[in-house]
Amino acid sequence: DADVTQTPRNRITKTGKRIMLECSQTKGHDRMYWYRQDPGLGLRLIYYSFDVKDINKGEISDGYSVSRQAQAKFSLSLESAIPNQTALYFCATSRLNYGYTFGSGTRLTVV
Amino acid sequence: GNSVTQMEGPVTLSEEAFLTINCTYTATGYPSLFWYVQYPGEGLQLLLKATKADDKGSNKGFEATYRKETTSFHLEKGSVQVSDSAVYFCALSDRSGGYQKVTFGTGTKLQVIP
Repeated sequence: DADVTQTPRNRITKTGKRIMLECSQTKGHDRMYWYRQDPGLGLRLIYYSFDVKDINKGEISDGYSVSRQAQAKFSLSLESAIPNQTALYFCATSRLNYGYTFGSGTRLTVV
Repeated sequence: GNSVTQMEGPVTLSEEAFLTINCTYTATGYPSLFWYVQYPGEGLQLLLKATKADDKGSNKGFEATYRKETTSFHLEKGSVQVSDSAVYFCALSDRSGGYQKVTFGTGTKLQVIP
């Protein structure tokens, strides 16, 4: 099994729908992150969490929310999806100064 | 704030050619530097890292040296293979204040042709 598992791998949804992207990890890391990747823009941080009770906004959190259900689970929600949220979404985990372990990504299309 | 600048791609090389992907950074603290690689359809994987000035990170034939005087962390490989075709991201991690904030470059696509 992968160290960081994201579900679903691909999703097409309609404008205005609520959607949840899930992430689970077996690394035992405390820190978890959600990024989105857009062509030419690299990766941008949406939310991050240093433990179950610590949730923080990243640089582009508007329109998104997160839930850290357990140390190993960190989900990202789009309350009302819009087309410009079409992107590749990555979950990542880390220990301090050890670099990130990324999931394989969720390709989300909002039509 | 922190920033990472990478050369724009795509970079197209023939197999066995020498590779350099430039990366420069700006940071207020004493960052750690990373190179990540993203193969098609996959997430990013840590390729190598360096945590202080003059450190050299290396992995799978790739190398990068942390140059504080030029604020650079260029990625090099002596002889590329078709299997090296991927997108490469330079990143820095700022450890100041006990909070690890990672800033990524925009990525450089490498295409290696036989």
